[in-house]
Amino acid sequence: EAGVAQSPRYKIIEKRQSVAFWCNPISGHATLYWYQQILGQGPKLLIQFQNNGVVDDSQLPKDRFSAERLKGVDSTLKIQPAKLEDSAVYLCASSLERFSGANVLTFGAGSRLTVL
Amino acid sequence: AQSVAQPEDQVNVAEGNPLTVKCTYSVSGNPYLFWYVQYPNRGLQFLLKYITGDNLVKGSYGFEAEFNKSQTSFHLKKPSALVSDSALYFCAKWGDQGGKLIFGQGTELSVKP
Repeated sequence: EAGVAQSPRYKIIEKRQSVAFWCNPISGHATLYWYQQILGQGPKLLIQFQNNGVVDDSQLPKDRFSAERLKGVDSTLKIQPAKLEDSAVYLCASSLERFSGANVLTFGAGSRLTVL
Repeated sequence: AQSVAQPEDQVNVAEGNPLTVKCTYSVSGNPYLFWYVQYPNRGLQFLLKYITGDNLVKGSYGFEAEFNKSQTSFHLKKPSALVSDSALYFCAKWGDQGGKLIFGQGTELSVKP
């Protein structure tokens, strides 16, 4: 089966600019996740969707970050305006069902953001 | 409180020697524990998981992990390391708050010929 697709792979912007990342999960996977991975740290969950509804966005900086999953398939994560501390790899993952502890997440290759 | 801790930032092993990457977790009922591996410029790949049952879990690429409830540990092991095992390894736990996968900070494994 095709994996989780993400684009762009790399993006360099200046602070206060905006950026958007796109994710296409594995076909049929109901749950989609966006993680932020800062260099030297483990991935941190930003937002979790179940179909097109938000399950958890408690760690999403909502003053600058937004995400949507229209039609319950593709998802877009946007940052506006970007700050230096947003430099990170943004990982998208999907799972067949809502995470129950037994399901395995499949990750995309990530989108590396550098904010100058 | 941190749910998952990986006490070593880096582990160095000679090829052919056994390797161990350590992980401890905070106690909360019956934990669901995972190991993922990340190669350079790649996403995380699932290695193995512990849900219930046998304390020794076998996974991909010859890796295994031992669940130790009394020590709240879930160390990743391999009997004979390969140079190609060099990567970043993450331990993760199904979280206590709202059901999310929480990762440790990662351990960089370096296997030298």
